[in-house]
Amino acid sequence: GESVGLHLPTLSVQEGDNSIINCAYSNSASDYFIWYKQESGKGPQFIIDIRSNMDKRQGQRVTVLLNKTVKHLSLQIAATQPGDSAVYFCAESPLYNQGGKLIFGQGTELSVKP
Amino acid sequence: DTEVTQTPKHLVMGMTNKKSLKCEQHMGHRAMYWYKQKAKKPPELMFVYSYEKLSINESVPSRFSPECPNSSLLNLHLHALQPEDSALYLCASSHERTGTYEQYFGPGTRLTVT
Repeated sequence: GESVGLHLPTLSVQEGDNSIINCAYSNSASDYFIWYKQESGKGPQFIIDIRSNMDKRQGQRVTVLLNKTVKHLSLQIAATQPGDSAVYFCAESPLYNQGGKLIFGQGTELSVKP
Repeated sequence: DTEVTQTPKHLVMGMTNKKSLKCEQHMGHRAMYWYKQKAKKPPELMFVYSYEKLSINESVPSRFSPECPNSSLLNLHLHALQPEDSALYLCASSHERTGTYEQYFGPGTRLTVT
C-alpha cells in the first residue's frame, strides 16, 4: 500500500507486506532529506537520510527514493512488521537557509495488521 | 552514548507557575534545538543554539526562555504559560547546525498547563 503524507493519513498494511510512504517537499533548494519514525509517547527516531546528489539510498529493510524533478520523497519498508507501526515524518533542510532548520512534513500513520 | 535525555518526563503546571525543562547530551554535538509538538502534528521548531549561542528564535513568545549553560545542557524556562501551550516539548541535538546532519531527539517532556 502507499499513501501521501500531507495531512496525517493512515496507511494500513498486512504484516509481511511492503509499505510505501510518500512525501511532497516544498523547497526545490532543499539539499538534505530525512525520515523519522515516532512511536506513541516517544521522540522521533532517525530512520534514514539522503542528500540531493543521490536519488536512492538503502538501509536495513528501508529504502528512500528522491525525485527532485517533482519534489517527491518516498520511504519503502520491506516485510513490514508490527513494530513498524508508528507515525512517519519526512523532513527537508533547505540549502543556504537558517542553518539547522528542518522542515517537517505532516506525517503518515502506519498501522501494521498481524 | 547516542542519547538525548530530557527531564521531567511529565509536567503539570498552573498559569502562574515558573518551571524549567532540561535536556542533556554527551555526543559532543554543538547544535541543540527545542521543538514543540501538538498531538498528531509534526514538531515545530522553537529555538536553535549553535556553540552555546542562540542562533534561531522562531518568534516564540517571551514566556518561553531558553538557556544553554554549556555544550551539553539546554534548558527551557517557562513562566506564565497558557493552556494552549500544553504539548510535547522535544529537545534535539546535531553535530553542526548546517542542516545536513541528522538531529537526535530526546523522548520529550509532556507539558500540561492548567
